[in-house]
Amino acid sequence: DAGVIQSPRHEVTEMGQEVTLRCKPISGHDYLFWYRQTMMRGLELLIYFNNNVPIDDSGMPEDRFSAKMPNASFSTLKIQPSEPRDSAVYFCASSSFRETGANVLTFGAGSRLTVL
Amino acid sequence: AQSVTQLGSHVSVSEGALVLLRCNYSSSVPPYLFWYVQYPNQGLQLLLKYTTGATLVKGINGFEAEFKKSETSFHLTKPSAHMSDAAEYFCAVSRWDDKIIFGKGTRLHILP
Repeated sequence: DAGVIQSPRHEVTEMGQEVTLRCKPISGHDYLFWYRQTMMRGLELLIYFNNNVPIDDSGMPEDRFSAKMPNASFSTLKIQPSEPRDSAVYFCASSSFRETGANVLTFGAGSRLTVL
Repeated sequence: AQSVTQLGSHVSVSEGALVLLRCNYSSSVPPYLFWYVQYPNQGLQLLLKYTTGATLVKGINGFEAEFKKSETSFHLTKPSAHMSDAAEYFCAVSRWDDKIIFGKGTRLHILP
């Protein structure tokens, strides 16, 4: 398996623009997580899905953020409109309870977002 | 609620010296505990995990950690540091059926 695949790796946009980050989890994994990493706040869980259903979105900062998982092999994180304080590295991770017996995450390489 | 506290946001050790990264957790149920490592410009990767059974857990690259329930600790150690160990290390806790909570991370610097 190629691992968790995220795109784009880097995104530079202007304030007010819509940003869409994409994630392809590992085939067979039934959990998918979106994290945000900044120097100030560290690693924050934004939302996670189980079998494509959102389970906990309490970490989503505000209504400008939305996430979807239309099928087992694809998820998006959308920010509309974007603001400079959204600049961060966004990670997608997936896991399988069945395989590991615990919530062991495999992370993608991240999408570095810069909002000017 | 679960939480993780990592003592020291930056730790420096000399090459060849003992590495000790401290982690304390809070959990109302038996925890699952993890250490992840992040190299520059990469995602996190699993170093080792404790679920049940033996309390001394061995991971990749010579690292190990010991679960001490009485101290609510899960410290990470390596007998001899190597330059390639320079990275950021995250301790994490979860219940068996719930999301993982990460600590704020400890950046390990290796001095030549």
